[in-house]
Amino acid sequence: EAGVTQFPSHSVIEKGQTVTLRCDPISGHDNLYWYRRVMGKEIKFLLHFVKESKQDESGMPNNRFLAERTGGTYSTLKVQPAELEDSGVYFCASSQKMWTGGINSPLHFGNGTRLTVT
Amino acid sequence: GNSVTQMEGPVTLSEEAFLTINCTYTATGYPSLFWYVQYPGEGLQLLLKATKADDKGSNKGFEATYRKETTSFHLEKGSVQVSDSAVYFCALKRAAGNKLTFGGGTRVLVKP
Repeated sequence: EAGVTQFPSHSVIEKGQTVTLRCDPISGHDNLYWYRRVMGKEIKFLLHFVKESKQDESGMPNNRFLAERTGGTYSTLKVQPAELEDSGVYFCASSQKMWTGGINSPLHFGNGTRLTVT
Repeated sequence: GNSVTQMEGPVTLSEEAFLTINCTYTATGYPSLFWYVQYPGEGLQLLLKATKADDKGSNKGFEATYRKETTSFHLEKGSVQVSDSAVYFCALKRAAGNKLTFGGGTRVLVKP
């Protein structure tokens, strides 16, 4: 079974440019989460999809960030325009059912996309 | 709000040394507590967890005990190996929630 896959693994862009990160969850996983770790600090929740619907987007920092999950399969996270403070590692995670911390529907993380804004 | 504080790294130690990474938390109610590990070039992996006070999570020789009286969940391993070199994250989840609150991560480097 393929794991959670994120593209690209690393992206370097200039301030003001646009970047789109992609996450392919494990096949059949309805729940998809985005997290990010900025400047080596704590990892913070961004948002949660259930299929194609945004269940919780309370962690999205501002309107420069747009997440989509058309068709309920892969998800994209677009940053437009990128700012220096957006640099960090963006993680995607998926679970088959709503993740509650138990073992019945574990949470699987991808390797992350390292975004560098110069 | 909820928060997790863990000791800053990097922590550098020799093989077979004892490892402790301190983690304390602030949360209402009775959260579940987790340790995640990120090995070089890989994603986050669940290392261990505990869901209620005095529970002990353990895996791969690592242990952590849920201490509600001190709001702590310190990670320990009695004898580390070079392969334990990684970044370790302490995290919590509210009882009714489905998202994680992480600490800042602690980089551990084990030298042969």
